[in-house]
Amino acid sequence: AQSVTQPDIHITVSEGASLELRCNYSYGATPYLFWYVQSPGQGLQLLLKYFSGDTLVQGIKGFEAEFKRSQSSFNLRKPSVHWSDAAEYFCAVGLSGNTPLVFGKGTRLSVIA
Amino acid sequence: NAGVTQTPKFQVLKTGQSMTLQCAQDMNHNSMYWYRQDPGMGLRLIYYSASEGTTDKGEVPNGYNVSRLNKREFSLRLESAAPSQTSVYFCASSLLAGMPGELFFGEGSRLTVL
Repeated sequence: AQSVTQPDIHITVSEGASLELRCNYSYGATPYLFWYVQSPGQGLQLLLKYFSGDTLVQGIKGFEAEFKRSQSSFNLRKPSVHWSDAAEYFCAVGLSGNTPLVFGKGTRLSVIA
Repeated sequence: NAGVTQTPKFQVLKTGQSMTLQCAQDMNHNSMYWYRQDPGMGLRLIYYSASEGTTDKGEVPNGYNVSRLNKREFSLRLESAAPSQTSVYFCASSLLAGMPGELFFGEGSRLTVL
């Protein structure tokens, strides 16, 4: 069955430290890949997306993600985390055609001083 | 720019009561969606409308009905609310249901069923 897995439910990092959030998918074909961020009490906002081409994609707020076909992964990274990055992060996957996105269960990021 | 607007933002219901969540988008998007968000479950799709005049079930449609009133509006109705429907509901829209379909989300509606 098609699925999106975010293995980490909750991650805590120190401000200024680097960050990597994991996302794995299980689809027959290469899907379209997204990362969304949700600040407390807010809706979701798109951070970045991958459709094709360069496997390293840049997003807003200094985030980047790398698509690795061999590992069926699309991990989100940031070199230096800021306190304002504390939020919940969702990986989402979609296929071509008339199908909605499927979301992972999310990873909550806490940032400590 | 309003984007996606949901009403109400908060609602408390008693078991068995009915209510409708309203959603409107002003981006001329073709597709609209209703998701629910529960702790540890991520976002789960309830219903979606790929285009005006069509609706389809998502992952968790039981207990819900939807109406795509026009291109702008997509409502979600709970006919007989149950405590299991306590959740945060998000409406979203996209230009197309297929890719590249970036979703734009409303701010959510928090529903509590007692």
